[in-house]
Amino acid sequence: DIQMTQSPSYLSASVGDKVTITCRTSQSISRYLNWYQQKPGKAPNLLIYVASRLQGGVPSRFSGSGSGTDFTLTISSLQPEDFATYYCQQSYSIPTFGGGTKVQIK
Amino acid sequence: QLQLHESGPGLVKPSETLSLTCTVSGGSISISNYYWGWIRQPPGKGLEWIGSTYYSGNTYYNPSLKSRVTISVDTSKNQFSLKLTSVSAADTSVYYCARGDDFSKVFDFWGQGTLVTVSS
Repeated sequence: DIQMTQSPSYLSASVGDKVTITCRTSQSISRYLNWYQQKPGKAPNLLIYVASRLQGGVPSRFSGSGSGTDFTLTISSLQPEDFATYYCQQSYSIPTFGGGTKVQIK
Repeated sequence: QLQLHESGPGLVKPSETLSLTCTVSGGSISISNYYWGWIRQPPGKGLEWIGSTYYSGNTYYNPSLKSRVTISVDTSKNQFSLKLTSVSAADTSVYYCARGDDFSKVFDFWGQGTLVTVSS
């Protein structure tokens, strides 16, 4: 299996901050990396696919970058509704997810 | 709008079989270029893919669960199902069903999830 390492596991930030979450894979996955947002008690919601493509309806303050083994999710200006847990997921082989990054209010 | 809804017992005894069904509405399950999957999440923990099926019946399972998992599809009812045998407390999770896009390989529509607790 391809191992996924997300960092940080927890992040405290304020509204308006720029936030960056990283995901590293144990082997190269080209650009087959996706990002999901999950709020408490809800199913994950797709934000970014194939490393940098924004899913329809997702605000443009979300962006993704990277290829190979290193990927980044950036929120350019954190909004109150963005406090949630974020997961990366590789789709190069059988799907595996990162451990999650919980974005909390500072 | 496509909707998925999980149903099944919320409590299963150890060593027994967990059975869940996902009903798809607002669209057909018999559509090319999509697949249908199960993902689980233990309370307070991360996500684990269990397996996926195409409407044709072709299935793919997580190797770590393969010996205990069966996913099947019933196109006449627009449903797909999960069976997980010989469950233990470690299988206590919220179970999600989801649609997978065969081009981008993402899960783009999810059910709300259902908590299954394994306990005697």
